[in-house]
Amino acid sequence: QSVLTQPPSVSEAPGQRVTISCTGSSSNIGAGYDVHWYQQLPGTAPKLLIYGNSNRPSGVPDRFSGSKSGTSASLAITGLQAEDEADYYCQSYDSSLGHVFGTGTKVTVL
Amino acid sequence: QVTLRESGPALVKPTQTLTLTCTFSGFSLSTSGMCVSWIRQPPGKALEWLALIDWDDDKYYSTSLKTRLTISKDTSKNQVVLTMTNMDPVDTATYYCARTTSRWGGSYWTRWFDPWGQGTLVTVSS
Repeated sequence: QSVLTQPPSVSEAPGQRVTISCTGSSSNIGAGYDVHWYQQLPGTAPKLLIYGNSNRPSGVPDRFSGSKSGTSASLAITGLQAEDEADYYCQSYDSSLGHVFGTGTKVTVL
Repeated sequence: QVTLRESGPALVKPTQTLTLTCTFSGFSLSTSGMCVSWIRQPPGKALEWLALIDWDDDKYYSTSLKTRLTISKDTSKNQVVLTMTNMDPVDTATYYCARTTSRWGGSYWTRWFDPWGQGTLVTVSS
């Protein structure tokens, strides 16, 4: 149902880098709307990770970074740690649907 | 410190109306740029935005659910209420409220959700 597509899962060893893509269309990301990212640890509420495509709220480690280009956005996690194991969601605005979330990506630290 | 807490029934029957209350502290819904949203997450599934109310009492709804949703606020009580009519088992989910910050981007508002309440699980079953 979501108009923002993410890979279902990514995995990597501790200390490595992972990237999560968020693919939209001309009615959302491609229309210029900002992308925001959330981290959801198991059994907890989502937490804001990145806002306005690439801005980190205070307290979020600089291991997390966001970018946007065309109809897609990406979240990168460098120096992967065991505590980063969680579900990650992108969020944007769609001119027809309103606020929309991505399909979600489960990050596994091997 | 900004906090939000959802409250409402844990179990509703099909066709009933669900009423959820979000009680918040640490910010005012009278402040320009401040909003509160409702978002839900079925078990094991992705997040779905439902509704938003802003400081000016403007209301916005998910296109697919707008006929069933009503959002309102009581600024004096720091509460936002969501009602959803004609509940169905597919509406079983954890319902979250979240402070929503608005920023004018030059040609549109950009909005993000932070922080979130802990969520409340609503099960729809007879």
